[in-house]
Amino acid sequence: EVQLVESGGGLVKPGGSLRLSCAASGFIFTNYNMNWVRQAPGKGLEWVASMTSTTGYIYYADSVKGRFTISRDNAKNSLFLQMNSLRAEDTAVYYCVRDWNFFGYWGQGTLVTVS
Amino acid sequence: EIVMTQSPATLSVSPGETVTLSCRASQSVTVNLAWYQQKPGQAPRLLIFSASTRATGIPARFSGSGFGTEFTLTISSLQSEDFAVYYCQQYNAWPPLTFGGGTKVDIK
Repeated sequence: EVQLVESGGGLVKPGGSLRLSCAASGFIFTNYNMNWVRQAPGKGLEWVASMTSTTGYIYYADSVKGRFTISRDNAKNSLFLQMNSLRAEDTAVYYCVRDWNFFGYWGQGTLVTVS
Repeated sequence: EIVMTQSPATLSVSPGETVTLSCRASQSVTVNLAWYQQKPGQAPRLLIFSASTRATGIPARFSGSGFGTEFTLTISSLQSEDFAVYYCQQYNAWPPLTFGGGTKVDIK
């Protein structure tokens, strides 16, 4: 069974940093591209960042470019999102998501509150 | 950036009815469109990809259609578990991947 478990969310002050982690299991992690998608409270879905499995291609939404860094540790089946210079508008549930283009598997999300 | 627009924002329907949700792209996405369902407190679930292909385990009452800029998601004989928010998403030209604002289907 595919499982994606996020951690690392919490309350942080504007300008602060946070590092999210996603532990993947139930599939061969190195075979899949991975992503982060977020959802502000009561709002819709917003794509944040994507990273290919082994080639290292990385893409970011303009809203986070230069502040957020996506990375992965294939040996530990883990995906990360380093978030710096956080703003109030970054407050959201952050989902770790598998696949490319469209998303078949989602974690349960971790809440980041910037206040 | 391709802007995705969903309508209506809310649909009030009775169980057993058939509903049609609309999604419009600001430019052609050919068939590179997906639909998701999200229930309160849960992560989204993939329903449809390639505009009309049901994801694994999705009931046949969910069907998608469209090409280019106009797409629809039809839910036939609405069940109680279908009351949720539905999002469309294009993946024809990215970054960025973009989602519509969502349509909430609630009980009349």
